[in-house]
Amino acid sequence: EVQLLESGGGLVQPGGSLRLSCAAFGFTFNNYAMSWVRQAPGKGLEWVSTISSGGASRDYADSVKGRFTISRDNSRNTLYLQMNSLRAEDTAVYYCAKHTRGSGGNFDYWGQGTLVTVSS
Amino acid sequence: KLMTQSPATLTVSPGERATLSCRASQSVNSDLAWYQQKPGQPPRLLIYGASTRATGIPARFSGSGSGTEFTLTISSLQTEDSAVYYCQQYNNWPLTFGGGTKVEIK
Repeated sequence: EVQLLESGGGLVQPGGSLRLSCAAFGFTFNNYAMSWVRQAPGKGLEWVSTISSGGASRDYADSVKGRFTISRDNSRNTLYLQMNSLRAEDTAVYYCAKHTRGSGGNFDYWGQGTLVTVSS
Repeated sequence: KLMTQSPATLTVSPGERATLSCRASQSVNSDLAWYQQKPGQPPRLLIYGASTRATGIPARFSGSGSGTEFTLTISSLQTEDSAVYYCQQYNNWPLTFGGGTKVEIK
């Protein structure tokens, strides 16, 4: 059974940093691209970043480019999102999502999400 | 590519048909997925490739379209289908979602 377990969310002040983790179980992690998708309170879904199966290719939404860094450790079956220079508008539930291919495709599994709140 | 969903809210009686629309600002070929999200839960994949049902999805859910116009149809609405439905294109970067259609039970 595929499971994605996010952790690392919490309350952080504007300008602060946070690192999210997503532990993956039940599939061959290094065969699939992975993404972070966020959802602000009461709002829709917003794609944040994707990393290819081997980690060589990374893409970012313009809203986070230069501030967020996606990475993965295939030996630990874990996905990360390093978030720096956080802003109030980054407040959201952050979901880890598995793609159906090594370089992209749709999402077929999602974690339960971790809440990030940016506030003073 | 901007994805536009309509209507924003759809109220349908149990057993009736629900038709949700999604329009892309440019062609996404058939690289279109539909997700269902209930309150407090992550999204769940319903349809990919515009028309292929994901594993375990009931046959009352069907998708159609290609290019820029797509439709999700729930043939006979059940009470458990009350949720927000999102379309998403994965034809190119950035990946984009529609704003969602909330389906309510009358």
